[in-house]
Amino acid sequence: DGGITQSPKYLFRKEGQNVTLSCEQNLNHDAMYWYRQDPGQGLRLIYYSQIVNDFQKGDIAEGYSVSREKKESFPLTVTSAQKNPTAFYLCASSVGTGGKYTEAFFGQGTRLTVV
Amino acid sequence: GENVEQHPSTLSVQEGDSAVIKCTYSDSASNYFPWYKQELGKRPQLIIDIRSNVGEKKDQRIAVTLNKTAKHFSLHITETQPEDSAVYFCAAAHTGTASKLTFGTGTRLQVTL
Repeated sequence: DGGITQSPKYLFRKEGQNVTLSCEQNLNHDAMYWYRQDPGQGLRLIYYSQIVNDFQKGDIAEGYSVSREKKESFPLTVTSAQKNPTAFYLCASSVGTGGKYTEAFFGQGTRLTVV
Repeated sequence: GENVEQHPSTLSVQEGDSAVIKCTYSDSASNYFPWYKQELGKRPQLIIDIRSNVGEKKDQRIAVTLNKTAKHFSLHITETQPEDSAVYFCAAAHTGTASKLTFGTGTRLQVTL
């Protein structure tokens, strides 16, 4: 189903805890992205990675961290420094840069709630 | 960086009517403009896209137009059906560099019977 899998679907976090959201793709895509979706604000870019062992901050990176140790995986950690983490998180992948076809394929999302 | 504005935020049309959603972008270097449809509780899915070397693209009931000079692009849905009800997002990217998509804030389309 799309080749990009996020887990878990729902996640509850206590205040002060770090949590990690998983994103795996089997599309052989070079580029991977994390977006945050809040009502009325569209999709905002948190971090993106164009190649293994490299990643860049997006528009709202504060309070988040990522790693890209494998081409297939791009986990996102929501740290305790993120003051308002309750949101729907979407992971996406695409072929990559350099004029290549740029369609982004999305995972099914993780809904994170702070309790 | 790129900034994409999308209007309207909500749109209600009667079944069979047309719907138009408009977006503007700020970075003249952007050259790829996709439109995504997101049904309730589901992931966004690409419905149509256009590149800067094309002014218009059509796929059945859906069409997209691009005006590079005005930095403006639009989604047109004709003969709307209830299953067209969803949130639609426009986006822009420069495929030669980061290829990261910057999204608009979305339009909630409601097609009424």
